Amino acid sequence: DTEVTQTPKHLVMGMTNKKSLKCEQHMGHRAMYWYKQKAKKPPELMFVYSYEKLSINESVPSRFSPECPNSSLLNLHLHALQPEDSALYLCASSQLHGEKLFFGSGTQLSVL
Amino acid sequence: KQEVTQIPAALSVPEGENLVLNCSFTDSAIYNLQWFRQDPGKGLTSLLLIQSSQREQTSGRLNASLDKSSGRSTLYIAASQPGDSATYLCAVLIQGAQKLVFGQGTRLTINP
Repeated sequence: DTEVTQTPKHLVMGMTNKKSLKCEQHMGHRAMYWYKQKAKKPPELMFVYSYEKLSINESVPSRFSPECPNSSLLNLHLHALQPEDSALYLCASSQLHGEKLFFGSGTQLSVL
Repeated sequence: KQEVTQIPAALSVPEGENLVLNCSFTDSAIYNLQWFRQDPGKGLTSLLLIQSSQREQTSGRLNASLDKSSGRSTLYIAASQPGDSATYLCAVLIQGAQKLVFGQGTRLTINP
């Protein structure tokens, strides 16, 4: 299994809602990532988990809250988002940090 | 600060042609360089990863080269096909850093 699975594929939420994005991999990878991508732009790193511990937070606003319950799962909890947070949110994993990245198909998020 | 530039931003060629995509970076102290492919609204697929000690990597019709001293990498696609149409991104991992720096991408269209 060489897939990174993200759910949901699409999400529409209001600015007062709380929602969560989920990511799962069964490749035994020990590094997992959240990226944000705006249209026609490259992905921007948000968070890195290495061995289930948060190792990088790229100064992301607190309305985004990551969680790594175990080595296969990565969540991104969303609360009180702004319309400018609308984007494609991508999860990725690698065997170790800095090695070949495997990306999921992403969650297309729209904040109304 | 590492900057990654991809030229051209867009490229359209007829099917069957061989083509080269370019990537340049300003800081030669890199750990590795990856080439990715992204289809519209989808995640990224890693095509090739070149370690800093390597000069090139090949996979099928794809060949990527790395010249650290000049800060350049090229992705060569042989015998292009309409299915190769996508955005191609290069990304470098700086030594001692923990995040990839992406270029803006080259949007490739192969015309039947």
